[in-house]
Amino acid sequence: GENVEQHPSTLSVQEGDSAVIKCTYSDSASNYFPWYKQELGKGPQLIIDIRSNVGEKKDQRIAVTLNKTAKHFSLHITETQPEDSAVYFCAAPSNSGGSNYKLTFGKGTLLTVNP
Amino acid sequence: NAGVTQTPKFQVLKTGQSMTLQCAQDMNHEYMSWYRQDPGMGLRLIHYSVGAGITDQGEVPNGYNVSRSTTEDFPLRLLSAAPSQTSVYFCASSYSYRGLDSPLHFGNGTRLTVT
Repeated sequence: GENVEQHPSTLSVQEGDSAVIKCTYSDSASNYFPWYKQELGKGPQLIIDIRSNVGEKKDQRIAVTLNKTAKHFSLHITETQPEDSAVYFCAAPSNSGGSNYKLTFGKGTLLTVNP
Repeated sequence: NAGVTQTPKFQVLKTGQSMTLQCAQDMNHEYMSWYRQDPGMGLRLIHYSVGAGITDQGEVPNGYNVSRSTTEDFPLRLLSAAPSQTSVYFCASSYSYRGLDSPLHFGNGTRLTVT
């Protein structure tokens, strides 16, 4: 099955700085890489995703990059704000028998943005 | 449009008791799944379903049963609760008939304590 490693487990930055979270995956057939943000007491919510035919995707202050050769993808948040403080999860699907029906999550990164 | 609704929000059980965690979605999603979230472990897949009448095991299925009689509902049953099942449980759904290449929509979770 898929193995997803996520680093760092905690990250503290000053407001306005950038934050980078990295994930590696093991299944070379994986083709979809989402990032989720989880605020306290709520379920995770998708913030950005990327498919394997694209190397980079950007949405305002958030970007994701994908290196299929090295099997890693990263989340970049620029100009961080206190409301970016949350737990962030990366994920990758496990390709079994030609279908990706199991999504494996990293263990999460607690991001704290200090005012 | 309520999205994914989970009930109850909180539950305390004694060892050996049984209960059903309810999950309903109103987005006509084919794919539904259950995850458990434990500190430092991320989100781990328990069971999933790709449509009414079809269910399969995830990473940690032992001690849990599921069924999918309708597109909207995907209940999770604990037949004989154990302290190791103390966790936060999330239900998630996705519009995905080919596989997991579209976003998961999560409920807000059920916090279960087994004493």
